[in-house]
Amino acid sequence: QVQLQESGPGLVKPSQTLSLTCTVSGDSVNTGSYYWTWIRQPAGKGLEWIGRGHFSGSTNYNPSLNSRVSISVDTSKNQFSLRLTSVTAADTAVYYCARSFRVRGVNWFDPWGQGILVTVSS
Amino acid sequence: DIQMAQSPSSLSASVGDRVTITCRASQSISNFLSWYQQKPGKAPQVLIYAASTLQSGVPSRFRGSGAGTDFTLTISSLQPEDFATYYCQQSYSTPITFGQGTRLEIK
Repeated sequence: QVQLQESGPGLVKPSQTLSLTCTVSGDSVNTGSYYWTWIRQPAGKGLEWIGRGHFSGSTNYNPSLNSRVSISVDTSKNQFSLRLTSVTAADTAVYYCARSFRVRGVNWFDPWGQGILVTVSS
Repeated sequence: DIQMAQSPSSLSASVGDRVTITCRASQSISNFLSWYQQKPGKAPQVLIYAASTLQSGVPSRFRGSGAGTDFTLTISSLQPEDFATYYCQQSYSTPITFGQGTRLEIK
């Protein structure tokens, strides 16, 4: 059974960098078929795709965050990570990591981590 | 970005009802459409991908259809555990985008 678990600080100060890690068990992050994805959800609101990484080093980011975000995959630890710089209160959200399947161009997310609430506040 | 518009935003129904949720894309996305169910305090779970393929383990009362710009999720006979929020998601192009969600409540 594949499981993903987010970890990192639950409180980040404005202008600082948000750093989260997703630990994968039951699967390997260097499986070529998958992208490893971050998605966030502000309280009471919808889902926003942040971006994805592949063990090859390939990444794609949401242009709304492009200049502030980076995703990396660490095959030695079977983890992938998110860095979001210069955070503001608007970055307060539950952050989810997820495995992204891709079949004939269709991408979907399964499974997801349980989510981690990150609050940006001084 | 491709915009995904779901309707209705909320819906009240009873156990045993048949319900339909609609998702419309701002441009054609072929069948690059997935549906998720999210319960309060939990992560979303995929129900359907490629517009109409049922994810393993998902009950057959869930059905997806559509192609191009218009898609539907139908639940044939609502069960108590189906009351949740549902999201559509396109993967035709990045950024991947989601609909705003449809909250399904008990009448």
